[in-house]
Amino acid sequence: GENVEQHPSTLSVQEGDSAVIKCTYSDSASNYFPWYKQELGKGPQLIIDIRSNVGEKKDQRIAVTLNKTAKHFSLHITETQPEDSAVYFCAASRVGAGSARQLTFGSGTQLTVLP
Amino acid sequence: ETGVTQTPRHLVMGMTNKKSLKCEQHLGHNAMYWYKQSAKKPLELMFVYNFKEQTENNSVPSRFSPECPNSSHLFLHLHTLQPEDSALYLCASSQDEGQGYEQYFGPGTRLTVT
Repeated sequence: GENVEQHPSTLSVQEGDSAVIKCTYSDSASNYFPWYKQELGKGPQLIIDIRSNVGEKKDQRIAVTLNKTAKHFSLHITETQPEDSAVYFCAASRVGAGSARQLTFGSGTQLTVLP
Repeated sequence: ETGVTQTPRHLVMGMTNKKSLKCEQHLGHNAMYWYKQSAKKPLELMFVYNFKEQTENNSVPSRFSPECPNSSHLFLHLHTLQPEDSALYLCASSQDEGQGYEQYFGPGTRLTVT
């Protein structure tokens, strides 16, 4: 099955600096890669995703890059703000037996933005 | 809010109790999921339902029993749980394949087994 590795497990940055979180996956059939942000006491919230037919996607301060050959993808947050502090999860997705998508998650990165 | 609600938000139960977790989605999606989130471990997919039919059971012990009466509601029935089952249980929903990939999560039920 799919295996997703995520690094680093914790990341502290100064407000205004950039943060980068990296993930690798093992199943070459995976073709959808979402990123989730989870704040304390809440469920994961989708913040950006990328599909295998593109190499980069950007949404304001957040960008994701995908290298299918190397099977890795990264989340980039620029101009970080204290409200960006949360746990971030990457995931890789394939279609399951009944056509519903199955997500395999990384172990998460605790991002702390220091004021 | 994501359009996925879960009740209760917190649950404490003994190992001999029987309880149920409820999930409801208001997004018109056709697929629903149960995940288990334990401390310092990745989210683990437990069950997948697509159009009310269970399509995946990721080797989950039989003390967890899912039920999906319709595409909007999903239950997880719990009985004779173990302390290691204490975790955050998350429900998610998505449109079916070909329509959309995104999964939307509820806030979770924090379960403590004593």
